[in-house]
Amino acid sequence: DTGVSQNPRHKITKRGQNVTFRCDPISEHNRLYWYRQTLGQGPEFLTYFQNEAQLEKSRLLSDRFSAERPKGSFSTLEIQRTEQGDSAMYLCASSLGNRSTYGYTFGSGTRLTVV
Amino acid sequence: AQSVTQPDIHITVSEGASLELRCNYSYGATPYLFWYVQSPGQGLQLLLKYFSGDTLVQGIKGFEAEFKRSQSSFNLRKPSVHWSDAAEYFCAVGARSGGYQKVTFGIGTKLQVIP
Repeated sequence: DTGVSQNPRHKITKRGQNVTFRCDPISEHNRLYWYRQTLGQGPEFLTYFQNEAQLEKSRLLSDRFSAERPKGSFSTLEIQRTEQGDSAMYLCASSLGNRSTYGYTFGSGTRLTVV
Repeated sequence: AQSVTQPDIHITVSEGASLELRCNYSYGATPYLFWYVQSPGQGLQLLLKYFSGDTLVQGIKGFEAEFKRSQSSFNLRKPSVHWSDAAEYFCAVGARSGGYQKVTFGIGTKLQVIP
């Protein structure tokens, strides 16, 4: 399968714990995006990578959030000191740089529940 | 900044009936427009996209959408709905931001199909 892969699919954590999610984009896609989706809302942009460079971050991404994309391949999103308000679906998407107008390919998401 | 309005949070249609999901966008230039579908607990799948040219675009699963610049609309249609179309549908607008496509989503329309 050459789609976007996200792990884990589900994560339940206690408030105050740190969590890390992983996204493996389509191998030839150089652009990678993280979105967050809460119940009853559409996905909200968090951050964008072109290759290994993080080029844009939303103000939604507080200093407890950090994202990396070492070597321009997979990406990780870490949330430190989780809060109940962090409970959401975290979606990763990728696209080709020179064909980014063709729409994103999304992964199935990681659902985070903070208890 | 671009934005998307989906005025219908929830729509119920009978199987075999026609469907139209409304979408209005706000963007200062010519937009890139998308419709995505999301099944429960899943990521988003691209149904169709508009960038330029013919204002009536065809997508997967028998869906089509029409771009109307004068109305700032991009409504999604299907002539005959199947039970498997029950899902949540998101309209999105893409705009150039720092050399890449930044996609902003609406809050979604949940489609229920009844026998």
